Amino acid sequence: DTAVSQTPKYLVTQMGNDKSIKCEQNLGHDTMYWYKQDSKKFLKIMFSYNNKELIINETVPNRFSPKSPDKAHLNLHINSLELGDSAVYFCASSQADRRYSYNEQFFGPGTRLTVL
Amino acid sequence: KQEVTQIPAALSVPEGENLVLNCSFTDSAIYNLQWFRQDPGKGLTSLLLIQSSQREQTSGRLNASLDKSSGRSTLYIAASQPGDSATYLCAVSTGNQFYFGTGTSLTVIP
Repeated sequence: DTAVSQTPKYLVTQMGNDKSIKCEQNLGHDTMYWYKQDSKKFLKIMFSYNNKELIINETVPNRFSPKSPDKAHLNLHINSLELGDSAVYFCASSQADRRYSYNEQFFGPGTRLTVL
Repeated sequence: KQEVTQIPAALSVPEGENLVLNCSFTDSAIYNLQWFRQDPGKGLTSLLLIQSSQREQTSGRLNASLDKSSGRSTLYIAASQPGDSATYLCAVSTGNQFYFGTGTSLTVIP
């Protein structure tokens, strides 16, 4: 039923901890993304995977590591969490119609991460 | 680098009014442009996608236009309803990269 799903919906944790956010899509898309939405609601892409291959890797700390076990899943692992990591993280997917050209994106419901 | 701007940042209109939301981008070399709505505490819902070769797309009461040469897109909402209240975001794709605007927060007053 749900096209793009994320777990957990809320994540509250202490500074220094390691946490993961999971994302799954059942749309048959070959490309998945992670976005970060800050407190001012600005959305910025973090990573993009096409057929399990990393395509976009924006300037994010290497504490953030995406893992794509298959085309339908893209998980985000964050090491040594910092206060500034608090944000809403969105997963999205789309289908490429040619290499590196992507069509309509579908978003998950988001994971609100709070680092104390 | 591509920059996407949405004006106004906030808009309040009475129910039934037609309205236009604006999206501007600095680099006309885009692959497509997508309009989304975001409800508070929720994810983004895709509204319309316009490919770079298209001039407009329509879905129900929504009509989105694209003028690549001037770096503009508009989202027209006809006969607004309170349920249209949300933040509207536009995003441009350069093929392998996506850039989002900062959004327009729309309130439709009953």
